[in-house]
Amino acid sequence: ETGVTQSPTHLIKTRGQQVTLRCSSQSGHNTVSWYQQALGQGPQFIFQYYREEENGRGNFPPRFSGLQFPNYSSELNVNALELDDSALYLCASSLGGSKETQYFGPGTRLLVL
Amino acid sequence: GESVGLHLPTLSVQEGDNSIINCAYSNSASDYFIWYKQESGKGPQFIIDIRSNMDKRQGQRVTVLLNKTVKHLSLQIAATQPGDSAVYFCAETLNQAGTALIFGKGTTLSVSS
Repeated sequence: ETGVTQSPTHLIKTRGQQVTLRCSSQSGHNTVSWYQQALGQGPQFIFQYYREEENGRGNFPPRFSGLQFPNYSSELNVNALELDDSALYLCASSLGGSKETQYFGPGTRLLVL
Repeated sequence: GESVGLHLPTLSVQEGDNSIINCAYSNSASDYFIWYKQESGKGPQFIIDIRSNMDKRQGQRVTVLLNKTVKHLSLQIAATQPGDSAVYFCAETLNQAGTALIFGKGTTLSVSS
């Protein structure tokens, strides 16, 4: 186990709704990265937070937003959900930014109907 | 042992065989590479990493080889066990701050006893 936890484990929403996913990083880690993994695909980078600031963003629209708290836990918010947002959302924690090993949590499975 | 020269989406081996999983990465500027193992319903699990100033690194039963000339990465698993059955992903990090992991196409390893 990596010590990275995510909640909830599963979630069902309808198109147009908003969702908030949560991640607690491994003890001592100050960086959290979020990924979207569609079925049968590799994870796709959404964004990264380092010491409460966004530290890089992938090719995702602005309706995907995030936050990192002083204890380095993080939230991923998705507004105006679309059917294609159905995926496994993974967070990974690391120490010191992008060059350190990222350890993944178990993910949140989101289904948009 | 079973090996593949190009990326194949699946690899089937017998218990006790050696397995070789290949990956072609995309950016010559990438300087950090990681192999992850993902079991069904779980997040990716770190296996081994290598930096671009090395061409080989060994762990417990695993070896990663890096060929920067042809942008190729491979993971060798010795004495493959049924518990090694999973999807394996390689990931690269671009040589700039704030950029997270770019994942390759996964390879599903099936080990039969």
